[in-house]
Amino acid sequence: SQQGEEDPQALSIQEGENATMNCSYKTSINNLQWYRQNSGRGLVHLILIRSNEREKHSGRLRVTLDTSKKSSSLLITASRAADTASYFCATGPWAGNMLTFGGGTRLMVKP
Amino acid sequence: NAGVMQNPRHLVRRRGQEARLRCSPMKGHSHVYWYRQLPEEGLKFMVYLQKENIIDESGMPKERFSAEFPKEGPSILRIQQVVRGDSAAYFCASSPPSMASSYEQYFGPGTRLTVT
Repeated sequence: SQQGEEDPQALSIQEGENATMNCSYKTSINNLQWYRQNSGRGLVHLILIRSNEREKHSGRLRVTLDTSKKSSSLLITASRAADTASYFCATGPWAGNMLTFGGGTRLMVKP
Repeated sequence: NAGVMQNPRHLVRRRGQEARLRCSPMKGHSHVYWYRQLPEEGLKFMVYLQKENIIDESGMPKERFSAEFPKEGPSILRIQQVVRGDSAAYFCASSPPSMASSYEQYFGPGTRLTVT
C-alpha cells in the first residue's frame, strides 16, 4: 500500500478560489515534499517541509505538517487556470533516500 | 544548467522485446533514482543507484528488470522480454551527494513505454 494518500482525489474550482489538498502517511518521516505534474509531463518540485517544521510558505503555496496526525496539507491561494495539474505528496524516510508517493490529487481550475 | 535528461521520451516495443531507458542526471549529481508510474496513479520507487553501485533495489521486480549507473555515461534501466503490464511512464530523478538522507529530487521528463 502507498505511504501517502491524498485527499481529495479530484478537485474542481473556479479561478481565484483557494485549493486545499491533504496528504496522510503511515510511517515516521524525515521530510515531506509536494510535487506538481502537468498532464503527460514530469514532476516539478514545489516545496519541502522537514519533520521539525510545522508550516512553510512559497509564493501562493502554503504547506502545513502535523507529525502527530501524520498529515500534511497544501494550500494554493488565488488559483489560476495554469495551476491545473496533479499534485502529489511524497515522504522521505529517516534511512535511505527513496521517496514514497501518494496517489495524487487532480486539480482543475476553471477560468 | 541542463536538468535531468531522459531518452527516449516515447518507446514502443512488442511483447518479448527488450526496452532500454536512459537517464543522465543533473551536473554534479551522483544519486539516481528510477520510478514507475501507471496511468492515474502515483510514482512507485524502483531502484536507487550511485555511480557503479546499486544502493536499494527493493522496488524493482526480481525478474526481467535491471539497472546500472556506470562510471561514465548515463544510468540505464533495462527491461527484458517486455509484457503489456510493463506499459507505464518511467521517471528518473537525481540528487546531489550528501551525508543527510532525503533531499529534494529533480525529475526528468520521463519515458513513456508502450508494449503492443
